[in-house]
Amino acid sequence: KQEVTQIPAALSVPEGENLVLNCSFTDSAIYNLQWFRQDPGKGLTSLLLIQSSQREQTSGRLNASLDKSSGRSTLYIAASQPGDSATYLCAVNTGGFKTIFGAGTRLFVKA
Amino acid sequence: KAGVTQTPRYLIKTRGQQVTLSCSPISGHRSVSWYQQTPGQGLQFLFEYFSETQRNKGNFPGRFSGRQFSNSRSEMNVSTLELGDSALYLCASSLALGPAYEQYFGPGTRLTVT
Repeated sequence: KQEVTQIPAALSVPEGENLVLNCSFTDSAIYNLQWFRQDPGKGLTSLLLIQSSQREQTSGRLNASLDKSSGRSTLYIAASQPGDSATYLCAVNTGGFKTIFGAGTRLFVKA
Repeated sequence: KAGVTQTPRYLIKTRGQQVTLSCSPISGHRSVSWYQQTPGQGLQFLFEYFSETQRNKGNFPGRFSGRQFSNSRSEMNVSTLELGDSALYLCASSLALGPAYEQYFGPGTRLTVT
């Protein structure tokens, strides 16, 4: 059974700091991995989608990497800003087209 | 292009009642998935529809059901509501069925069962 774990559960950093969020999954047989952002009480905003054949994706200050063999993905946020404060979720798409989500990392960026 | 819309945004129901939630996908998207989000269980997959057919289902009781219409709009229904059904219900749409297609989420419907 696929399980997705995100560490840390919460993170507080000063503005301008570079940071890394971690996501691990137990079954390497995934089709893709997606990172989302969720603001309090709101829906999810897709940040990056990495297909199983890819190693990384970049969008602006965000870079996500995928290492299927070790069951890990990282989301790198450069030069963090207060507006980056949100919960970040990773999700893996497994066989049967089911999407399994991690519990998320709650990020606070202090001005 | 308009995003995924969900109605209503907020609902308060009483135990034992039933509720219907609606989701309109992004124009051109044909696949719709539903998720339940609670503080204790996180985000859990409910079901996925494509071409008016349920293609995949999560581990939820039969009280949870859904359907998709010919215009790709989808509804989900929860009968005999329980307190534990209080959650944020999220709908996501994608161009087609399959993992190659990115999911786009709506703002959710917040259901409170009293």
